[in-house]
Amino acid sequence: DTGVSQNPRHKITKRGQNVTFRCDPISEHNRLYWYRQTLGQGPEFLTYFQNEAQLEKSRLLSDRFSAERPKGSFSTLEIQRTEQGDSAMYLCASSPPVGAGATDTQYFGPGTRLTVL
Amino acid sequence: RKEVEQDPGPFNVPEGATVAFNCTYSNSASQSFFWYRQDCRKEPKLLMSVYSSGNEDGRFTAQLNRASQYISLLIRDSKLSDSATYLCVVILSGGSYIPTFGRGTSLIVHP
Repeated sequence: DTGVSQNPRHKITKRGQNVTFRCDPISEHNRLYWYRQTLGQGPEFLTYFQNEAQLEKSRLLSDRFSAERPKGSFSTLEIQRTEQGDSAMYLCASSPPVGAGATDTQYFGPGTRLTVL
Repeated sequence: RKEVEQDPGPFNVPEGATVAFNCTYSNSASQSFFWYRQDCRKEPKLLMSVYSSGNEDGRFTAQLNRASQYISLLIRDSKLSDSATYLCVVILSGGSYIPTFGRGTSLIVHP
């Protein structure tokens, strides 16, 4: 399977705990995005990487959220001191490099569903 | 005003019907536009890109109206399998690269 993968698929945690999610993009894609989606809403942009550089970060993103992509391949999203309002589906997507055909097309992973009790 | 707005529906149509969705965007500097499909509890998947000249893929037609700042999706001869949520996506270029999704329009095709 050469699609975008995300782990874990489900995470249940208690309020105040830290959680970390992983995303493995399609191997030749150098652009990677994180989104959060709640029921009845579209995906909400969180952050964007091109290779290892974090180029965009939503101004709505709390300081409790941090993302990394240290080697320009997989990425991690960490949420510190989780709150019940963090409960959502966290989606990762990747895109091919600029100039490689349909460059702005995003390929999504299956998501990580977070439940904060 | 939200950056990207869609009527959430649901649009409830019989098989074989033609249905159209609109999506309005607020930033006139928007450059790239897409329709994605999302099935219940699944990830979004690209349905089609939207070009200035309009484009068609089988039963699906997408159009862009820059003057009025909206994109549309037309589905002809609806199938039961078309039941899903349709998300429009708008991307600014040349600076801030933040894809903005609408909340999605729910389509239910019934026998």
